[in-house]
Amino acid sequence: DTAVSQTPKYLVTQMGNDKSIKCEQNLGHDTMYWYKQDSKKFLKIMFSYNNKELIINETVPNRFSPKSPDKAHLNLHINSLELGDSAVYFCASSPYRGREYEQYFGPGTRLTVT
Amino acid sequence: AQKVTQAQTEISVVEKEDVTLDCVYETRDTTYYLFWYKQPPSGELVFLIRRNSFDEQNEISGRYSWNFQKSTSSFNFTITASQVVDSAVYFCALGANNAGNMLTFGGGTRLMVKP
Repeated sequence: DTAVSQTPKYLVTQMGNDKSIKCEQNLGHDTMYWYKQDSKKFLKIMFSYNNKELIINETVPNRFSPKSPDKAHLNLHINSLELGDSAVYFCASSPYRGREYEQYFGPGTRLTVT
Repeated sequence: AQKVTQAQTEISVVEKEDVTLDCVYETRDTTYYLFWYKQPPSGELVFLIRRNSFDEQNEISGRYSWNFQKSTSSFNFTITASQVVDSAVYFCALGANNAGNMLTFGGGTRLMVKP
């Protein structure tokens, strides 16, 4: 069974469109994250949610809106896509107490904006 | 503020050579965690090791070993007798209490192991 899954794996879309990436974890973890990896492989945290509540929101444009319907899901919705949004987006999850930093990553979603 | 520096952007070795990937970190926290992740060409991030700031004991796992030295704020990773399958980008990361649960990643080191 896949621990952290993301759909889709690849997403190609045009500028100005709105798209969503879904993330689900079956590990029973309390905390979920979104990271962005740019073309130079640099990984940076975007959001962190604990039990459906936002706890970290790094400097991310308002066009990006995470949505957590329950603690097993954290979806990323992006409005008005721009060329600079092209990247690989990773979802991750971790237990909250005692092992907060033990993050398990999904396979990534490669977003290409044309 | 936290920072992780992986000064080696790319390393190329020939199979069976030993190779060490450097990682230097900065944090004001006394309790923190250090990690190494592997990202093979397929793109997924594979967890390799976690070490907390109170445990400076070095660790060995098969051909992999890690050297944690608080005095120099370093957490270096050595692969012994490298293999072509070790070719990947390796990331060092830091997690600390004052940064919530977020991990700060280094820029990564691309390791190429040639046959």
